[in-house]
Amino acid sequence: NAGVMQNPRHLVRRRGQEARLRCSPVKGHSHVYWYRQLPEEGLKFMVYLQKENIIDESGMPKERFSAEFPKEGPSILRIQQVVRGDSAAYFCASSPIIPETGELFFGEGSRLTVL
Amino acid sequence: TQLLKQSPQFLSIQEGENLTVYCNSSSVFSSLQWYRQEPGEGPVLLVTVVTGGEVKKLKRLTFQFGDARKDSSLHITAAQPGDTGLYLCAGYPSDNQGGKLIFGQGTELSVKP
Repeated sequence: NAGVMQNPRHLVRRRGQEARLRCSPVKGHSHVYWYRQLPEEGLKFMVYLQKENIIDESGMPKERFSAEFPKEGPSILRIQQVVRGDSAAYFCASSPIIPETGELFFGEGSRLTVL
Repeated sequence: TQLLKQSPQFLSIQEGENLTVYCNSSSVFSSLQWYRQEPGEGPVLLVTVVTGGEVKKLKRLTFQFGDARKDSSLHITAAQPGDTGLYLCAGYPSDNQGGKLIFGQGTELSVKP
């Protein structure tokens, strides 16, 4: 399967712990996006990264959330000191070029539950 | 602020009925896309519309982009239970600095046999 791979698919954390979500884009794609989806809602843009650069993080909460896409390895979305409100499905998507009109390829999501 | 508003938010119909889902905005979009998402999975692209007034057909699905590129609609003819899912419109604002795809809140469709 050469699609976007996300892991873990399900993650349970207690309040105050850290959550790390990983995303491997489609092979050859250099653009990665992270979205958050709450139950019965659409996807909310969080951050757009290219290799080693954050292009747009306008949707990221100012505190506790960070993202990276290193030269080697997957993109990581990191949530420090998780709270119950962080419980959601986090989707990663990738594209080969700046997608002015193009398709984003989505992974199956990582579902975070904060107890 | 919801840049893209979808209506209705929930729709439950019988097999064989027709339906239309609307996606509206006060902003201009360089393109609009429709995705379908099934439970436990990520969204999958159905279609992209780029030109104002454009109409695209995908079997029983008809997609239209408004002339002013501010709205779009998805019409399903003779709905089937397999059409059940979350339908999301998404677009690239025309003033987009690059890469930020904005989603509507989705329309949850249930087609009963």
